[in-house]
Amino acid sequence: RKEVEQDPGPFNVPEGATVAFNCTYSNSASQSFFWYRQDCRKEPKLLMSVYSSGNEDGRFTAQLNRASQYISLLIRDSKLSDSATYLCAVNRGYSTLTFGKGTMLLVSP
Amino acid sequence: GAVVSQHPSWVICKSGTSVKIECRSLDFQATTMFWYRQFPKQSLMLMATSNEGSKATYEQGVEKDKFLINHASLTLSTLTVTSAHPEDSSFYICSAATMGTQYFGPGTRLLVL
Repeated sequence: RKEVEQDPGPFNVPEGATVAFNCTYSNSASQSFFWYRQDCRKEPKLLMSVYSSGNEDGRFTAQLNRASQYISLLIRDSKLSDSATYLCAVNRGYSTLTFGKGTMLLVSP
Repeated sequence: GAVVSQHPSWVICKSGTSVKIECRSLDFQATTMFWYRQFPKQSLMLMATSNEGSKATYEQGVEKDKFLINHASLTLSTLTVTSAHPEDSSFYICSAATMGTQYFGPGTRLLVL
């Protein structure tokens, strides 16, 4: 099993749709989880950290399921500007992260 | 806050030359910085972990003599690609860690002819 796995997509959704991505991780000792967004030919940008209790930031909700070892990202009311690749990251050491390969989201008019 | 800069943003060089890339944390101190490489349509691959005042830790398969890392201060790490060859052409991205979270620089596109 790979350390961090994501469905590469692409996920094609219309504007206004709700879309969810999952990311599974293999190291049960991992403590820190993150979602990053990467636009084409740009660097990854931190979208949100994922807390045990789950967290929400506007249209974005992240959740952690330790028992099944996955994190999820839910995007409500998708905008065209949400089109990007979404990377999940899991720590393997204090600040060292292992990244998934990313899930591509394409939001169409 | 948590701004990371990287310079240069792009480099075109001849095969055999060495290229130095700088990574700076602008508004925080980072004892740990990371260097990644990303080929087109591929995932981020961690090359090495750079620790201020000590030797870098390289990932398996990354040649330390090829990719020289120096982390001379709490705000600056440099990556030197020595004797670059066309297969080293890639997108090199650094990140700096604070409070257990990594923030990325804008990346450097290297093209070796």
